[in-house]
Amino acid sequence: EVQLVESGGVVVQPGGSLRLSCAASGFTFDDYAMHWVRQAPGKGLEWVSLISWDGGSTYYADSVKGRFTISRDNSKNSLYLQMNSLRAEDTALYYCAKDVGSQPGYFDYWGQGTLVTVSS
Amino acid sequence: DIVMTQSPDSLAVSLGERATINCKSSQSVLYSSNNKNYLAWYQQKPGQPPKLLIYWASTRESGVPDRFSGSGSGTDFTLTISSLQAEDVAVYYCQQYYSTPPVTFGQGTRLEIK
Repeated sequence: EVQLVESGGVVVQPGGSLRLSCAASGFTFDDYAMHWVRQAPGKGLEWVSLISWDGGSTYYADSVKGRFTISRDNSKNSLYLQMNSLRAEDTALYYCAKDVGSQPGYFDYWGQGTLVTVSS
Repeated sequence: DIVMTQSPDSLAVSLGERATINCKSSQSVLYSSNNKNYLAWYQQKPGQPPKLLIYWASTRESGVPDRFSGSGSGTDFTLTISSLQAEDVAVYYCQQYYSTPPVTFGQGTRLEIK
């Protein structure tokens, strides 16, 4: 059974930093691209970042480019999101999502999400 | 970037009736070399992550009830629930994966019982 379990979400002050983690199991992690998708309270889905199966390629939404860094450790079946210079508008539930393939496509599994609140 | 626009924003349908949600992309998501539309649909129930319903615009994910169907091509797509059940109350999102990154979603359509 595929499982994605996010962690690391907390309340952080504007300008602060945070690292989210996603522990994956139930599939061959290094065969698939992985994504972070966020959802602000009461709002829709916003794609945040993508990393290729080997970590060699990374992509970001314009809203987070230069502030967030996605990475993965295939030996630990884990995905990460380093978030710096956090803003109030980064407040959201952050989902880890598995791509259906090694190249960007659609998402066949999602975690339950971890809540990031940026507030003073 | 491809912009995805859903209509309506919210919808109330009686139990057993048909529900129809539309999704329009700002440019075609049909890849001519394989004749596939790079369009997926997700269902998000309250307090839950999104769940994949449909991919390639019309292929149902394993385990999804056959009352859910997807149709359309190019820039115009439809998710149809043929006979609404109480458990179908959710927000529905379309997503294009033709031109990524970025991945783009529609704004969501909230489906309720009338």
